[in-house]
Amino acid sequence: DAGITQSPRHKVTETGTPVTLRCHQTENHRYMYWYRQDPGHGLRLIHYSYGVKDTDKGEVSDGYSVSRSKTEDFLLTLESATSSQTSVYFCAIRGTSNEQFFGPGTRLTVL
Amino acid sequence: DQQVKQNSPSLSVQEGRISILNCDYTNSMFDYFLWYKKYPAEGPTFLISISSIKDKNEDGRFTVFLNKSAKHLSLHIVPSQPGDSAVYFCAASGGGRGGNKLTFGTGTQLKVEL
Repeated sequence: DAGITQSPRHKVTETGTPVTLRCHQTENHRYMYWYRQDPGHGLRLIHYSYGVKDTDKGEVSDGYSVSRSKTEDFLLTLESATSSQTSVYFCAIRGTSNEQFFGPGTRLTVL
Repeated sequence: DQQVKQNSPSLSVQEGRISILNCDYTNSMFDYFLWYKKYPAEGPTFLISISSIKDKNEDGRFTVFLNKSAKHLSLHIVPSQPGDSAVYFCAASGGGRGGNKLTFGTGTQLKVEL
């Protein structure tokens, strides 16, 4: 158990509304990541963080922003949700080697 | 451009037999490879990894083989158990800055039958 929680676990929203997903870790890991999982695509990196206020884009960052004001929290924001952002979102932290440990996921539906 | 490919979307194996899951990659800068298992409605769980300086890593029933010349890795599960039924993802990292970002394959659904 890498001490990662995600909230909310499920969310249904409407197109055009802002949405923020939260990832919280309890073990002071420096690196944190946001992925989305879609059928036929595996997991794709949205954004990642290598420290407080230090973030960078991943493979599918368009339409998403992130913030990390504290080591333990990494927020993913959809400024104006679209139906193409319906997905399962996973947060991860980097362990002592190169492995990453994942949270339980947030299922987001945009109607 | 899919840099990590799992060409078999599904695999069915009998309990007690060997399961072999395959993964190919195209980026020669990848230097670390991982396998994850995922059950429905849960996050992926790290299984086993291998560095590019090795060609084999073993952990209990799980062995990962790396063939760098062929840009191919495989996960062997022996013996397979019903609880191994899950989606398996291979992932790769390396090739510069970026906090060891992982590039994932699309997954293989393993079903272990009684």
